[in-house]
Formats: sequence, structure tokens, C-alpha cells
Amino acid sequence: EAGVTQSPTHLIKTRGQQATLRCSPISGHTSVYWYQQALGLGLQFLLWYDEGEERNRGNFPPRFSGRQFPNYSSELNVNALELEDSALYLCASRSRSKGEKLFFGSGTQLSVL
Amino acid sequence: SQQGEEDPQALSIQEGENATMNCSYKTSINNLQWYRQNSGRGLVHLILIRSNEREKHSGRLRVTLDTSKKSSSLLITASRAADTASYFCATTSGGYQKVTFGIGTKLQVIP
Repeated sequence: EAGVTQSPTHLIKTRGQQATLRCSPISGHTSVYWYQQALGLGLQFLLWYDEGEERNRGNFPPRFSGRQFPNYSSELNVNALELEDSALYLCASRSRSKGEKLFFGSGTQLSVL
Repeated sequence: SQQGEEDPQALSIQEGENATMNCSYKTSINNLQWYRQNSGRGLVHLILIRSNEREKHSGRLRVTLDTSKKSSSLLITASRAADTASYFCATTSGGYQKVTFGIGTKLQVIP
């Protein structure tokens, strides 16, 4: 069974540009969570999607947005990139019917220059 | 905002010793989980304890939960160099199942 996959692995952008990060959950998982992990810090909750709907959102500005597609894959978009957006972005998926455990991808390392 | 706060933030021990990490949280929870992260990559689930449980074991891991103090501890017994990683607690609360992580404890096990 394939795990959670994230693409790209690394992404380099300049200030003001837009970034799109992608996540494919484990087959059968309908929930997708996005987290931001800045260097040396914990995971900051960004977004939670379930069954195609945004269920909850962390304390991030509106330029952080996303969506979940009918196949439950998800996209995170960051507009008007700022230097402090440089971080590891982690996606996790969960099966609502099989428990609370999250399965994580390996992350996308976003560098904003 | 961070729900959990791990303590200590960094811990260095010799191989074979036990490692204890603590987690405190602020609001009522449905369950608490511990995860491990190697080298800043994806996290791996270790163990889950529900709000009505007090202690749980899994191999060399022992987790306790004290809901009256809003705290949990993770004990790794007989540590190995391969246990070197960052450890995070995560709480699940509310009907919407938001999962919130702490800032983590960086564990170094010296061979």
C-alpha cells in the first residue's frame, strides 16, 4: 500500500511569487491535514480537509489556501510569498473510520529567497 | 497556536539509559498521541492514549496520561542510538478532530 506522497520534494521561489504544493493521501483516507514546520520549531496547524470540505483552519493569513479534490488529494497554495514562509510543509492523511492516527508524507521543503 | 508543550526541549543520554519526555496541554482532549520525526522529515506515529486511559505500553514505550494535570509523559526504556530523533505529542480535541502538535523534544542517544 502506497503511503502519503508529497510533491515536489523541494521548491525554491522568490518573494512575491506563488507556490503550489501537492499531497496524495493513502488510498481510502478522506482526511488531509497540512502543517508548517519552520526550522527548529514544532508543527503549526494550517488546514484540515475532509470529504472535499475545509473543516478547520489554523492562524495563518488568507494567502495560505488550499483545496481537496474528489479523489481526496489536496493542494496547498501560498500566494505573495514572504521570506518567513520558508519551511517544511507536511501533509498527513487519516481514515475517519479507522482511527485517529495520522500518516505523514515526507514533506515539501519550501525556500523563499 | 500550539496545544502541547514538550519538556525538555532537548535531551541527551547514553545508550541503555531511559529517556522521559513530558507534554502539557491546555484544553480538554479526546486522545493524545506521540510521534517521532527523524531528520526533519515526515512524522511516524508511535502510540495513542485515550482520555479515559491512564497508562499504555508498546514495546519499549510507556505513555502515561493525567487529565487532571493536563499532562502526559513518554518513557523510552533501554534507549538505542537509533532512537535519536525528535518526539512530538499531539492532541485531538473537539468534534471536528483537529490535531494539534507540540514543539517537540529533541532526543540524542549517544552510543
